[in-house]
Order: sequence, then C-alpha cells, then structure tokens
Amino acid sequence: AQSVTQLGSHVSVSEGALVLLRCNYSSSVPPYLFWYVQYPNQGLQLLLKYTTGATLVKGINGFEAEFKKSETSFHLTKPSAHMSDAAEYFCAVSNPYSSASKIIFGSGTRLSIRP
Amino acid sequence: GAGVSQSPSNKVTEKGKDVELRCDPISGHTALYWYRQSLGQGLEFLIYFQGNSAPDKSGLPSDRFSAERTGGSVSTLTIQRTQQEDSAVYLCASSPDILAGAADTQYFGPGTRLTVL
Repeated sequence: AQSVTQLGSHVSVSEGALVLLRCNYSSSVPPYLFWYVQYPNQGLQLLLKYTTGATLVKGINGFEAEFKKSETSFHLTKPSAHMSDAAEYFCAVSNPYSSASKIIFGSGTRLSIRP
Repeated sequence: GAGVSQSPSNKVTEKGKDVELRCDPISGHTALYWYRQSLGQGLEFLIYFQGNSAPDKSGLPSDRFSAERTGGSVSTLTIQRTQQEDSAVYLCASSPDILAGAADTQYFGPGTRLTVL
C-alpha cells in the first residue's frame, strides 16, 4: 500500500522568502510522485511530477522538488515566494506497476504569503 | 474549452433528495476519476473508470453513491437520499492513456460544490 504525509496543514511565509512544503511518502515499489496546486475556487493542476531519471524536478511557476529515496521525501521548494503562490498544495504518489494507476493524495498544505 | 468540465458548479439540495453530478472529460481521455473534497480536507478518492474495464469503486463511502460512464466519455455521479455529511466539493479528473499507467497527469475539472441542508 502507498501513503503520503504532508507535514504542516498551513505554512505562512513572507513575500520573497523561501517556500518549503514537506512531503513524505510510503511505497513498497519505486513510486511516481506529483505535486498539484489548487487556487481558490478552482480545480487542481499539476505543478510537477517525478517518474524516473533526474531526482530534481522543475515545474511551473518556479517550483521544484527533489526525490530523495533515502529519506522517502519529495519536498517542494521555491526560492522566492510571490503573492500569487497563495494556494493549497497537494503531494501525491502512485504505483507505476499497477494497472489501476490510482493516485493517492496527501491532505494538503495551505500556503499563505505575507506582504 | 478543451478542459474537463463539471456541472452544475453549485448545487443546494435538501436532506433526503437525490442529486446527479456530471463530468465531461477531455476528449480522448480513457481514464476518469471522481474525488470528494470536504472543507479543509484533502482529496478522498471515490471511483475510477479506465476504458472498458470494470470501474474501481473501492472509494465509494456507502451504497447511496454510484457512478456511471456512458460511451466511455461523460460520467454521472449520483448520490441518493443525501445527508448533510455529503456536503463537499466533488472533483472529476481525466487522464489520457491507460497504457501510460501511473505516470499520467490528471486533469481536473473545477468541481461541483454540493450543499445539503
């Protein structure tokens, strides 16, 4: 079975500061990992995903995440926060060996940006 | 547009009534998912359709919930005898290719906000 834990249901940073959203996963097989973002009153959209290859993955809007197998982590970072980054962020994991390919989502982290 | 669409965007109903929520996936996408997002909560998987295979219904919370997908395209989620705890945003997502398996990006609709009074 797979699971995802997002540490911190709410993170607040100042505009221009580093953004760090934490995600740890559990998987019995090498997983695929995703970060999705949900802006207010909208559906989710993909920020970035890791499948194989390079462990540092770059996504849209200046976000990136690093797959660390030894730490079972896939933390999301952005060097400098912008007011428009305020949203809910979801980490997700899937099993690439499963034909059902169901994606398991974490409980989400709400990011607030202080002026 | 070419994205996933859902209707209605908002639905208010009385306890005990039945509701139907509709999802139009992106044309050609073979996989379709329904999720429930309660206030301040994460995404709760409900049901998954993959091509012509039997749907994965393992996430449906009770037998009051059912879903169908006609012609491999449009899907309807039905909730019978609604309860107040059914109030949530119901999200639909589709993805393009079952052969690509778990690497597929899911494309989400804007959701239907259901309020049961």
